[in-house]
Amino acid sequence: TQLLEQSPQFLSIQEGENLTVYCNSSSVFSSLQWYRQEPGEGPVLLVTVVTGGEVKKLKRLTFQFGDARKDSSLHITAAQPGDTGLYLCAGPPIAGNNRKLIWGLGTSLAVNP
Amino acid sequence: SQTIHQWPATLVQPVGSPLSLECTVEGTSNPNLYWYRQAAGRGLQLLFYSVGIGQISSEVPQNLSASRPQDRQFILSSKKLLLSDSGFYLCAWSLRLAGGKNTGELFFGEGSRLTVL
Repeated sequence: TQLLEQSPQFLSIQEGENLTVYCNSSSVFSSLQWYRQEPGEGPVLLVTVVTGGEVKKLKRLTFQFGDARKDSSLHITAAQPGDTGLYLCAGPPIAGNNRKLIWGLGTSLAVNP
Repeated sequence: SQTIHQWPATLVQPVGSPLSLECTVEGTSNPNLYWYRQAAGRGLQLLFYSVGIGQISSEVPQNLSASRPQDRQFILSSKKLLLSDSGFYLCAWSLRLAGGKNTGELFFGEGSRLTVL
C-alpha cells in the first residue's frame, strides 16, 4: 500500500514563529501537491512540486520536493493566525493511476495571536 | 475562470432516507470529476471518479452511488442512508489533458456536511 505520512499531526505555535511540516513516503511520486483546508471548507491547492529537488516559494511558504521524489516539506516563516488550518499533501504515484491521488492525513496547524 | 459548486452545504437525514448531493463545474470542459468523503476533518477517501458522461468508477463498496448525467454535473446518491454515511463530502474536478492524463491537481467544492440520525 502506498502511503504518505505527514508529521507532525498537530502543531500549535505563536504568531511570528517558524515551522516545518513533512510529507514522507517509501514510494516515488510523479509530483506532490500541498493543500490547505479550513474548517467546514474544501481543501485549496497551494502548490505542486514536480522535479526532484525543486523548491517553490509562495510568499512566506517554502515548499521542497525531495531529490528522490519520495518526500516533501513545507516551511512557513513568521507564521500568522491566517495560516491556521489543515495542511494536506497528496500525489499521483509514479506507478499507478494518476487520476487517483494518494493522500496524507494532514498536519493541523494552529497559530495563536 | 473555473468554478465548482456543490449543494446542499448541510444536511440532516434520518436513517433509511434517500440522499442526493449535487455538484456542478463551470468554465471548463471534459473535466475529471470526483467524490471524496472526509472523516473527522482529516484524511480524504476517494469514493467515485468519472472521466466522462455516464462513466463512473467506484473505489470502495458502500451504500452510495454516483452519476454523471451531463459533462459538468456529478451527483452522489443513496437509496437508504446508514448511520455510517455521516461525514463531510467533497466534490472535486481536475483538468483532463491529452491522452487521458492529468496533473492530478484537484479543485474542490465547498463541501457538504451530512449527519444521519
